[in-house]
Amino acid sequence: GENVEQHPSTLSVQEGDSAVIKCTYSDSASNYFPWYKQELGKGPQLIIDIRSNVGEKKDQRIAVTLNKTAKHFSLHITETQPEDSAVYFCAASRGRGSQGNLIFGKGTKLSVKP
Amino acid sequence: DGGITQSPKYLFRKEGQNVTLSCEQNLNHDAMYWYRQDPGQGLRLIYYSQIVNDFQKGDIAEGYSVSREKKESFPLTVTSAQKNPTAFYLCASRGGRLGGYNSPLHFGNGTRLTVT
Repeated sequence: GENVEQHPSTLSVQEGDSAVIKCTYSDSASNYFPWYKQELGKGPQLIIDIRSNVGEKKDQRIAVTLNKTAKHFSLHITETQPEDSAVYFCAASRGRGSQGNLIFGKGTKLSVKP
Repeated sequence: DGGITQSPKYLFRKEGQNVTLSCEQNLNHDAMYWYRQDPGQGLRLIYYSQIVNDFQKGDIAEGYSVSREKKESFPLTVTSAQKNPTAFYLCASRGGRLGGYNSPLHFGNGTRLTVT
């Protein structure tokens, strides 16, 4: 089955710097890759997602890149702000039904220092 | 506002007791999911349901049970057979036909269960 590895587990940056979180997946048939942000005491919220027919997607300060050959995808946050501090999860899935179930990485705790 | 409601936010139980966590959604989504979250472990799938009156085991179903009698509701029972029930439990739903092909998950705000 699919396995998703996420690095680093913790990341600390200064406000205004960029942050990059990387994930690798094992199933070459995976075709959907969302990223979630989880604030303390809350459920994860989708911040951006990418499908396998696209190599890069951007939404304001957030971008995701996908390298299908290497089976890895990355989240890029530019001009970080203190409110970006949270735990970020990557995930991967393929197909319909049970094959569409998302497999999550173990999360990255991002701290943005003012 | 559409969304997923989990209740209660905090739940305390004595060891050996069954406990049921509530999850209600008004997003008209077919598929619903239960995840367990432990520190450093990410999200692990307990059970999921792609349609009313049908559900399947996820990766860590032992010691848990669910029902899906209504589209809007997907309660999770943590039984006394679950060896380490203390955790943060997240309910989610997903739109699209038969639970989502490339559709994002929408999460509730979780229930923190403590068993002593």
